[in-house]
Order: sequence, then structure tokens, then C-alpha cells
Amino acid sequence: GAGVSQSPSNKVTEKGKDVELRCDPISGHTALYWYRQSLGQGLEFLIYFQGNSAPDKSGLPSDRFSAERTGGSVSTLTIQRTQQEDSAVYLCASSLDTGGGYGYTFGSGTRLTVV
Amino acid sequence: GQNIDQPTEMTATEGAIVQINCTYQTSGFNGLFWYQQHAGEAPTFLSYNVLDGLEEKGRFSSFLSRSKGYSYLLLKELQMKDSASYLCAVSSSTDSWGKLQFGAGTQVVVTP
Repeated sequence: GAGVSQSPSNKVTEKGKDVELRCDPISGHTALYWYRQSLGQGLEFLIYFQGNSAPDKSGLPSDRFSAERTGGSVSTLTIQRTQQEDSAVYLCASSLDTGGGYGYTFGSGTRLTVV
Repeated sequence: GQNIDQPTEMTATEGAIVQINCTYQTSGFNGLFWYQQHAGEAPTFLSYNVLDGLEEKGRFSSFLSRSKGYSYLLLKELQMKDSASYLCAVSSSTDSWGKLQFGAGTQVVVTP
């Protein structure tokens, strides 16, 4: 598609429920990233996929968080047993490649609210 | 670990120039990025510096000094639409390329 598409745009869930956030990157972009942004905070790295390489999961805050990327395209970020501190905007981004200064193209994000 | 510092907020008048500073401490360096983020919107890529010096792109310029761990983003001929948060982000050579460390952002307010 023309841009990075994320769904849903907003999600309100009860504490303890599982949620799935979807990201559809720009066609042809080999790298895909998940970040989250809490109110007034900088972007926090979560996970990064590059082609067929093993993903860099070093930013996932706990084992309740997982992500996959199927067929080198669409990615799903899953949060199990959500907690109130998981409330944030979850941003997905993609880029043509890594290295050489390819800036990310971000999606509009999913605003997650855990009540 | 990494530490990225930038001012919280800056105010400037339409037509003026504003310089947003960013200092960083990393265990290695692969490059520095600047992003613009309007309220409620996704960040958009502005610039990338990997070598020392000034990169100019229209009204926006970005400078890097690797020895000083310092960058700035210069916004010239400010327009009202430039009111936004400006994010400094660093790629460390000890991390995978795709992992950027972001500063908390500098909110620029442009007044008439």
C-alpha cells in the first residue's frame, strides 16, 4: 500500500485480556519495527524484523509481549494478560532496508487503553 | 546503555530561526536521525547524519559532531505548521541497526 497501515486505531480493553495489534508495512519494505510511546515519553523500541533474519526482540518489556511477521509482510503484536501500564500508542514502522540512513515510515499507531 | 538529551520545549516567532540541540552518549555510533511529530500523528523522517558536518534540506538543516556527541536541527523561516515535537534518535553500533534510541522530544511552539 501507499503507507504503513495499522489496525485498530483505538483499542480499549479490560485488564487481563489479550490484545492483537496489526501492522501492514509498505510493499517492498524489508524491515519492520514496533515502538511504543507513552504520554510525554520518547519512543521505546520493542522489536525489529529484517527479512528472514531472526528478529531483535531485545525491547520487549516482558514475556507477555510477542510479535510475528508472516510471509515477510504483515506483522502482529500480541499482548497477553494486559496491564494498565501497557496503555500507550503502539507505532509500527517500515523501511526499505537497514543501514545507509533509510528513515522509517511510521503508521498512525494503535492507541491502547487498558482499564 | 544510551542517554539522549534534548530540551523539553522551545518557543519562537513565525519567520525566525530555531536551533534544537541533542546530546547523546552511546557505546558506539551508527547514525543520528531527526523526526517531526505533530500532535496525535505519527513521526515523519526529517534527516539522517552519520558523518560530521551539516546536512541541508530546504528550510531544515541538521548538524553532527561525533567527537562531541552532539547534533542540532536548525529550522529556518519558521512557519506556523512547524509547531510540533522534534525527536532526536540514535543508532548504536552495539545494537542491531534497526533499534533506535529516541530522546523524549522537543516541543516547538511557533507564535504569530
